[in-house]
Amino acid sequence: GENVEQHPSTLSVQEGDSAVIKCTYSDSASNYFPWYKQELGKGPQLIIDIRSNVGEKKDQRIAVTLNKTAKHFSLHITETQPEDSAVYFCAASIRTDKLIFGTGTRLQVFP
Amino acid sequence: DAGVIQSPRHEVTEMGQEVTLRCKPISGHDYLFWYRQTMMRGLELLIYFNNNVPIDDSGMPEDRFSAKMPNASFSTLKIQPSEPRDSAVYFCASRTGTGYEKLFFGSGTQLSVL
Repeated sequence: GENVEQHPSTLSVQEGDSAVIKCTYSDSASNYFPWYKQELGKGPQLIIDIRSNVGEKKDQRIAVTLNKTAKHFSLHITETQPEDSAVYFCAASIRTDKLIFGTGTRLQVFP
Repeated sequence: DAGVIQSPRHEVTEMGQEVTLRCKPISGHDYLFWYRQTMMRGLELLIYFNNNVPIDDSGMPEDRFSAKMPNASFSTLKIQPSEPRDSAVYFCASRTGTGYEKLFFGSGTQLSVL
């Protein structure tokens, strides 16, 4: 079955700096790669996703890149703000039938 | 819509007791998922349903765990008997079945087994 590895487990950045989180997946058939953000005491929420026919996708300060050959994808947050502090999860699946999540990255943005 | 509703928010029980977690998915969503979150393993998929039918329960850790979905608006996850290693946050999530649709998560149930 699919296995998703995520790094780093914790990330601390200064406000205004960029943050990058990386994930690798094992199943070459996976074609859907979402990112979820979890704030304290809440369930994860989708922030951006990418399908295998696209190499990069942007939404304001957030971007995701996908390298299907290497089976890895990354989340990039630019101009970080304190409200970006949260736990971020990557995931992979074939469509969205069975999302397999990484172990999460705790991002802290210091003012 | 109120979103995915889980109850209770917190559950503290003693080892050996039965625990029942409840979930009400968003109306109209025909997929329902149960996940378990721990520091060591992150978000693990336990089981998911489509139109109230269990599709994949390969993530259920042991026979002590069982899940049901008697109708489109209600699901339960039961642990009997509970053990301290079951302590975790349990999330329910739902989505529509039209393809690449996002999951909507509930706020979770924090389970502590003493």
